[in-house]
Amino acid sequence: EDQVTQSPEALRLQEGESSSLNCSYTVSGLRGLFWYRQDPGKGPEFLFTLYSAGEEKEKERLKATLTKKESFLHITAPKPEDSATYLCAVQARNTPLVFGKGTRLSVIA
Amino acid sequence: NAGVMQNPRHLVRRRGQEARLRCSPMKGHSHVYWYRQLPEEGLKFMVYLQKENIIDESGMPKERFSAEFPKEGPSILRIQQVVRGDSAAYFCASSPSTGENEQFFGPGTRLTVL
Repeated sequence: EDQVTQSPEALRLQEGESSSLNCSYTVSGLRGLFWYRQDPGKGPEFLFTLYSAGEEKEKERLKATLTKKESFLHITAPKPEDSATYLCAVQARNTPLVFGKGTRLSVIA
Repeated sequence: NAGVMQNPRHLVRRRGQEARLRCSPMKGHSHVYWYRQLPEEGLKFMVYLQKENIIDESGMPKERFSAEFPKEGPSILRIQQVVRGDSAAYFCASSPSTGENEQFFGPGTRLTVL
């Protein structure tokens, strides 16, 4: 059974304090790993798709990396507006997305 | 370029009533997915549809829940005889095709069963 575990459950950072969120996964034949951002009361907003180990993608202060067992979402010099829940999901061939429970990030000014 | 639209945004039903949730995919997208999110839980897949076809309903409860995506009009998630445990946020996502294409989510419908 495909599984996704995200850690930590919650993270509190000072503005400018860089950190990383972890997404560990077990899946038979990874087709893609997805990162989403979700603000309270809203739907998930797509951030990145990673397909193979060693791949990296960046967007503003965010950088996502992928190994064979886990993915990291690095946040460099975060700002209060980066506060949100970050969701990780995996997809194997011909199967639905499996989501982790997310990491709640709070960035304090 | 409108994104995925869902309505209503909030829905209140009493136990035993029916709930109908609607989803219009992004323009050009022909694949629709429904997910349920309970408090403190992750998003759980329910059903995957293409126009007039249910492709995968492995996450759908066997009773009271049904989904359709007709040739014309939005996709509908229907919950009959709602119970308090059905209270959750229901999200719809769409994609242009399967495989590597990412899914884009709507704002969700928050169902409250009294």
